[in-house]
Amino acid sequence: AQKVTQAQTEISVVEKEDVTLDCVYETRDTTYYLFWYKQPPSGELVFLIRRNSFDEQNEISGRYSWNFQKSTSSFNFTITASQVVDSAVYFCALSEAFTSGTYKYIFGTGTRLKVLA
Amino acid sequence: DGGITQSPKYLFRKEGQNVTLSCEQNLNHDAMYWYRQDPGQGLRLIYYSQIVNDFQKGDIAEGYSVSREKKESFPLTVTSAQKNPTAFYLCASNPGGPNNEQFFGPGTRLTVL
Repeated sequence: AQKVTQAQTEISVVEKEDVTLDCVYETRDTTYYLFWYKQPPSGELVFLIRRNSFDEQNEISGRYSWNFQKSTSSFNFTITASQVVDSAVYFCALSEAFTSGTYKYIFGTGTRLKVLA
Repeated sequence: DGGITQSPKYLFRKEGQNVTLSCEQNLNHDAMYWYRQDPGQGLRLIYYSQIVNDFQKGDIAEGYSVSREKKESFPLTVTSAQKNPTAFYLCASNPGGPNNEQFFGPGTRLTVL
């Protein structure tokens, strides 16, 4: 069965520190998609990034960067120079497709990031 | 503005009562999902629908029911058979296909007294 593991339950850092959130996944599919979402205190999940299994290029978007490594089944997320506004719960997710044509998403348990001023 | 609306944001019910949570989207998305979120457990899939008039059970469907009579609407009923209904419920949609991200509503926090 497909699985997403976010081993870090909660991380606290001081503002301006760099922080990496880990995501390890399990899948038997050769084609799959990985996602990161941010859940601020308001509760609504916000999409951050999508990566397909054929694209191992790392991506940088401002202070955010993502490192995808198929060899270790990891899709880690780094925030550089963290800010208080980065405080949130971050979820990693994997989409699972079935032969019936249906599909669903498997979420990790999330990592709560606290950035202290 | 396009998006997903869930109402109400907070809902209180007495034990033994059925309650229906609303989810509406104007994104013209084919697929819709219901998740339950409990502290420390991430998002667990309750039901999902990838086309009108069709839906599938997720991982924790017992005690819940849904309907998908219109593309834009996917209401969730929490029945009295659900043993621990107090939770945060999130609705999501996507245009179709496992390669697309999901768009989430603001959630409904249900408290059963």
